[in-house]
This record gives sequence, structure tokens and C-alpha cells, in this order.
Amino acid sequence: DAGVTQSPTHLIKTRGQHVTLRCSPISGHKSVSWYQQVLGQGPQFIFQYYEKEERGRGNFPDRFSARQFPNYSSELNVNALLLGDSALYLCASSLTQVKLTDTQYFGPGTRLTVL
Amino acid sequence: SQQGEEDPQALSIQEGENATMNCSYKTSINNLQWYRQNSGRGLVHLILIRSNEREKHSGRLRVTLDTSKKSSSLLITASRAADTASYFCAPADTGRRALTFGSGTRLQVQP
Repeated sequence: DAGVTQSPTHLIKTRGQHVTLRCSPISGHKSVSWYQQVLGQGPQFIFQYYEKEERGRGNFPDRFSARQFPNYSSELNVNALLLGDSALYLCASSLTQVKLTDTQYFGPGTRLTVL
Repeated sequence: SQQGEEDPQALSIQEGENATMNCSYKTSINNLQWYRQNSGRGLVHLILIRSNEREKHSGRLRVTLDTSKKSSSLLITASRAADTASYFCAPADTGRRALTFGSGTRLQVQP
């Protein structure tokens, strides 16, 4: 069975541009969460989606948005990119709405570099 | 926030030795999870220990939890070069929607 997949693997953008990152959860998983990990730090929670609805949001500006599709895949959008948005963006899926008793399975991440 | 803080920040050992990493947290939890991250890649779930458990084993991994001290430890026995990675703890309470991570322990196992 395929694990969590993310695309693209790497991305280079310039300040002010917009970016869309994609995630496909494990088959049968209905919850997708997004995390941002800057170099040298642990992942920071951005969003959680379950059954196509936003169920949780971290402390990120409105430039960050996401959505979940009927097939449970998800997109993370970031507008007006800043240098500080350079990071590894991780997607995690879990079977049900995350009550933190469910194991979260992480994808390999998308490395975003903003120049 | 319910964020785990790992200690030490970095650890270097020889292959075959044991590695111990510690995690401290601040408020009551439902469970605590440990993850491994190889350089620049996604996190791999290692083990989940519930608040009513004191010790759990998985292969060469041993996790302990002391809720009175709000701390947990991860022991990797007979380490291998392939264990070189960053290790993160994530204490979890049912009131939150997401895991919160500290900066991790960077383990280097020298062959």
C-alpha cells in the first residue's frame, strides 16, 4: 500500500509569489494535517482537515490556506511568499478525526525555498 | 502550549552502545508519541505510550513515562548507524487537534 504522498518534492519561488502544495493521504484515511518545519526546529502545526472541513488551525497568517477534496487529498496554498516561508512542508494523514489517540502518518515533505 | 522538550539537543555514540533521550512536558496528557526523522525527510511514528502506561517496548526501543514528573524517555539499545536521525516527542491531550513538537534530539551513531 502506498503511504502518504506529497508533490512536488522541491520547489523554488521568489518573494511575493504564490505556491500550492499537494498531499494524498493513505487510502482510507479521512484526516489530513499540514505542518511547517523550518531548519533546526520541530514541525509546527498549520491546519487539520477532516471530511473536507477545517477542524483545526495553528498560529499562521491568513496567507496560508488549505482545502480537502472529496477523495480526501489536500492542497496547501501560501500567498505573498516571504523569505521566512522557506521550510519543509509536511502532510500527515490519520484514519479518523485526530483525537491524538490516532497515529499520524507523515509524507516525505515538500522542500520550499523562497528567494 | 503542550510542547515536548527533548534533551539532550545532540547525542553522539558508537555503534552498539545504547542511546537515551528524554522528553519533558508541562500539562496533563492523554498519551505521548515518539517520532524519528531522517535528515530532511518525513517523520516516522515509533511508539505511542498512554498516560496509564509506565513502560512500553517495540523491538530495540523502550519508552518510559512518568506522569508525576511529566517526563518520558526513549532508549534505543544496541544502536546502529541507521539509527542516526532526529528524534521528537509529542505529548498529546484530547483537547488539541494536532501534535506539537520540540526541537528534537539529533542522534549520531558512529560506525
